[in-house]
Amino acid sequence: EDHLVESGGGLVQPGRSLRLSCVASGFPFENHAMHWVRQFPGKGLEWVSGLGANRDVAAYADSVKGRFTISRDNAKSSLYLQMNNLRPEDTALYYCGRDRGGLVDTGTIESWGQGTLVAVSS
Amino acid sequence: QSALTQPASVSGSPGQSITISCTGTSSDVGSFSLVSWYQQHPGKAPKLIIFEVTKWPSGPSSRFSGSKSGNTASLTISGLQAEDEADYYCCSYVRGGTYVFGTGTQVTVL
Repeated sequence: EDHLVESGGGLVQPGRSLRLSCVASGFPFENHAMHWVRQFPGKGLEWVSGLGANRDVAAYADSVKGRFTISRDNAKSSLYLQMNNLRPEDTALYYCGRDRGGLVDTGTIESWGQGTLVAVSS
Repeated sequence: QSALTQPASVSGSPGQSITISCTGTSSDVGSFSLVSWYQQHPGKAPKLIIFEVTKWPSGPSSRFSGSKSGNTASLTISGLQAEDEADYYCCSYVRGGTYVFGTGTQVTVL
């Protein structure tokens, strides 16, 4: 059974940086695209970023493009999200998710972690 | 990348059927059969219940079903039960290689 554990969240001032991590187990990590999805305090979900299994294709939501960078280490079964120039509107619970396939093209996130909370405030 | 549009809330009595709509554009829902649905109970992570418009992740479910017509996808819950009270989100692949979620629907069992 899939197990995804996020970490790295916390309280940070606007303009600062934060790096989220997600450690995966229970499935062949190197075969699956992975995603970050966030949930705002008002409940809505927003897809943030996705990365193909071979690290070949990275995609971003317009709201984070140029500020966030997704990466992965298949040897460590780990996914990362480097978040720079954080804004108050980035405040959310950040989930790590496993895609159904190896590319960011299925429209399906099959399994989810429990999330790590990011709060951006002065 | 505008969010897909869902009704804010839908309610029904136990045993009834309800349908949640998810309206997108020709760049997402209308062009691809790559719509998924998620159920989220309070304090929990989202859970996949439908993918590729009509498919079930863990074998057939007699109560959750999906469909699509044009730019609108739909989730139907048949035989509504108390445990179905939750938030529901749709998600679609978007031309160009991104994903977009719906605005979310709160289902209340009366």
